[in-house]
Amino acid sequence: IAGITQAPTSQILAAGRRMTLRCTQDMRHNAMYWYRQDLGLGLRLIHYSNTAGTTGKGEVPDGYSVSRANTDDFPLTLASAVPSQTSVYFCASSDSGAGANVLTFGAGSRLTVL
Amino acid sequence: GQNIDQPTEMTATEGAIVQINCTYQTSGFNGLFWYQQHAGEAPTFLSYNVLDGLEEKGRFSSFLSRSKGYSYLLLKELQMKDSASYLCAVRDSNYQLIWGAGTKLIIKP
Repeated sequence: IAGITQAPTSQILAAGRRMTLRCTQDMRHNAMYWYRQDLGLGLRLIHYSNTAGTTGKGEVPDGYSVSRANTDDFPLTLASAVPSQTSVYFCASSDSGAGANVLTFGAGSRLTVL
Repeated sequence: GQNIDQPTEMTATEGAIVQINCTYQTSGFNGLFWYQQHAGEAPTFLSYNVLDGLEEKGRFSSFLSRSKGYSYLLLKELQMKDSASYLCAVRDSNYQLIWGAGTKLIIKP
């Protein structure tokens, strides 16, 4: 089934630890995104990539890094996790051609930092 | 600053009609989106408006007025499975999506 796969589904992490959230898509979409979703707030963009080999900062990039070595994979790394990074993380992708550029989301990764 | 406003929560009865409003103030406008998100799941695309007027898709319709910075999502013949959060998002002049916090819709029998 075409779509986006995120891993892990859920993780509890000690503060100060390094963590990488994995995201893989099989739709050959050019653009990929990482969002965090917190209660009472809209989705906030962390980082994005318009095409393989390029990345950009979103609204809340501090404490996070990404890489886009190929079209399919877009991992998000927390170098040294802090409790404020407790959130649900969604990876998404879109076809960056003209038009609506509808986002397809992964199922999410729930991260708790203690 | 950029802002998207939606009601936090709404309640409606199965079989009825509900209208979820969204007002926005953004730096430019390049389209408005509605997504549905069931609890614990990913958002899924519902509708896209870039011109003024009503877009109808089955039981769901979405309206846009660019001059008023206003949109609504209309859900007809409500079913229990429509219980979800509905997210409004606007694409600004930089083609970045600005998201509202979402409206939690509770459907009662």
